[in-house]
Amino acid sequence: AQSVAQPEDQVNVAEGNPLTVKCTYSVSGNPYLFWYVQYPNRGLQFLLKYITGDNLVKGSYGFEAEFNKSQTSFHLKKPSALVSDSALYFCAVRDSGSSNTGKLIFGQGTTLQVKP
Amino acid sequence: NAGVTQTPKFRILKIGQSMTLQCTQDMNHNYMYWYRQDPGMGLKLIYYSVGAGITDKGEVPNGYNVSRSTTEDFPLRLELAAPSQTSVYFCASSSSGASYEQYFGPGTRLTVT
Repeated sequence: AQSVAQPEDQVNVAEGNPLTVKCTYSVSGNPYLFWYVQYPNRGLQFLLKYITGDNLVKGSYGFEAEFNKSQTSFHLKKPSALVSDSALYFCAVRDSGSSNTGKLIFGQGTTLQVKP
Repeated sequence: NAGVTQTPKFRILKIGQSMTLQCTQDMNHNYMYWYRQDPGMGLKLIYYSVGAGITDKGEVPNGYNVSRSTTEDFPLRLELAAPSQTSVYFCASSSSGASYEQYFGPGTRLTVT
């Protein structure tokens, strides 16, 4: 079965330190992977995606993610965290069994808390 | 561009009542989606549409219905509301193709009591 796992409910990091939010996936075929961020009482905002090509993907607000095929992971990273990065982060993978419908399977989300 | 808009922002329903959640996008996207978000559960797909006149069930369609008469609008209908439908509902849209990201509306917070 296709799935996305975010093993940490919450990640705490001090401002200025690097951050990593973990994501692993299980899909058949080539994965299309996405990261979204949700601020309180808002909808989800797209951060970045991996479709093909370079394993290191750069996105909005200084975030990047590393695709690792052998470990089936797509961890979100940022070299220096800001307090304003505190939010709920979702990893998602395209449902490869749905033939170009664009359907996504979401992880359960990871709350990132950046302390001053 | 307003992007994806949803109305209402909040609603309280009594058990057994019905309502329609409105969703409109102005990006000329063919693909539209309805999700529900429950704490600690991520997003679950309710229904989706790949174009006007075409809809299909997602992971959790029971108790809901949709229609897609135009490219812009994708309303979600709740019939006979139940407490289990208390949730935050998000509408999203994307351009055609599986590689395109989805754009989300601000959500509707629904409470059924």
